[in-house]
Amino acid sequence: DAGVTQSPTHLIKTRGQQVTLRCSPKSGHDTVSWYQQALGQGPQFIFQYYEEEERQRGNFPDRFSGHQFPNYSSELNVNALLLGDSALYLCASSVAITLAKNIQYFGAGTRLSVL
Amino acid sequence: GENVEQHPSTLSVQEGDSAVIKCTYSDSASNYFPWYKQELGKRPQLIIDIRSNVGEKKDQRIAVTLNKTAKHFSLHITETQPEDSAVYFCAASKGGSYIPTFGRGTSLIVHP
Repeated sequence: DAGVTQSPTHLIKTRGQQVTLRCSPKSGHDTVSWYQQALGQGPQFIFQYYEEEERQRGNFPDRFSGHQFPNYSSELNVNALLLGDSALYLCASSVAITLAKNIQYFGAGTRLSVL
Repeated sequence: GENVEQHPSTLSVQEGDSAVIKCTYSDSASNYFPWYKQELGKRPQLIIDIRSNVGEKKDQRIAVTLNKTAKHFSLHITETQPEDSAVYFCAASKGGSYIPTFGRGTSLIVHP
């Protein structure tokens, strides 16, 4: 059973460019959340997708957008890249919330460097 | 929104010693508190969690305590081993979305 997979593992872009990161959730999971982890910091929530719609969003500008596909996989898009966007981008998958315990499983992340 | 403070930022111990990491949270509605371990270059992995209806939870050498009144929770690791060396993150979230707000992390170094 594959866990959460992310691609690519590393990426180098220049300022102003656009980037797309991809995530496949753990088998049986239907909810995908994206986080940005700057060096020496904890992960910060970007947004969460469920049933192909953005369900919640953190404090990130509209340059950050996403998509979820019918197979529950997800993409994170960042436009007009800034140097400050350099970070580890983590995807986490989970099962949609009812009153059940919800545990998020993280992928290994995509390391984005903006030059 | 929720704010989670974590201390210390770095903790250095000798193998066999105990380690304690402390976190405070601001939102009294938070009711789920996971702890993650992140080894260098690897993904964060859940190691233990606690819900607000429980004061303490243990799993072998790891324990977590929660004081709802004071809004703080702590991770206790006993008989530390070199493989416990990693960055540990606390987090707090509340029912519905369970979107965690993370602390800034504690780098635990266990010297053989």
